[in-house]
Amino acid sequence: AQKVTQAQTEISVVEKEDVTLDCVYETRDTTYYLFWYKQPPSGELVFLIRRNSFDEQNEISGRYSWNFQKSTSSFNFTITASQVVDSAVYFCALSEADSGAGSYQLTFGKGTKLSVIP
Amino acid sequence: NAGVTQTPKFQVLKTGQSMTLQCAQDMNHEYMSWYRQDPGMGLRLIHYSVGAGITDQGEVPNGYNVSRSTTEDFPLRLLSAAPSQTSVYFCASSRDSYTEAFFGQGTRLTVV
Repeated sequence: AQKVTQAQTEISVVEKEDVTLDCVYETRDTTYYLFWYKQPPSGELVFLIRRNSFDEQNEISGRYSWNFQKSTSSFNFTITASQVVDSAVYFCALSEADSGAGSYQLTFGKGTKLSVIP
Repeated sequence: NAGVTQTPKFQVLKTGQSMTLQCAQDMNHEYMSWYRQDPGMGLRLIHYSVGAGITDQGEVPNGYNVSRSTTEDFPLRLLSAAPSQTSVYFCASSRDSYTEAFFGQGTRLTVV
């Protein structure tokens, strides 16, 4: 069974600090996909990034960067120079591509609540 | 482009009542799913569908029914509401199992 662990329940940082959100996953499949979603205080879920299991290149998008390491089953998310608008709950999620024809299982971690203090 | 539309946004039910949460998407996605979000629990999959006429259970299916008669719609039925079903419900759709899911705005349900 697949599992996603976000050990950090809540994090508080002062504006302009860097912060890393941890995500550790478990899966038996060799082909899988990892996602990060953001849930701001308004409540909607916003897709941030997708990474497949064959692509271990780190990705940078503006102040956001992601570090995918298969050796440690981790897919961590770093925000550089945090801003108040980054305050949200961030979810890591895992989908196994080989879960069988007609099957679907997108498993979410419990989320990390990030508070950026001005 | 509306994306995924959920109705209603808020609902209060009495224990034992039934109701249907509506979900519609206009992206021609085959995959649709329902999640519930509870404090400290993340999002948990209730039911999903990989195409019209095909549905299956997720992690927490008890007390809920679904059907998928069209590609666009995927309603979630609460048969006999219980206080334990107080939650925020999200509907999502995706092209397949490995592309990103698009979520509706959520329905905040309170069962008293």
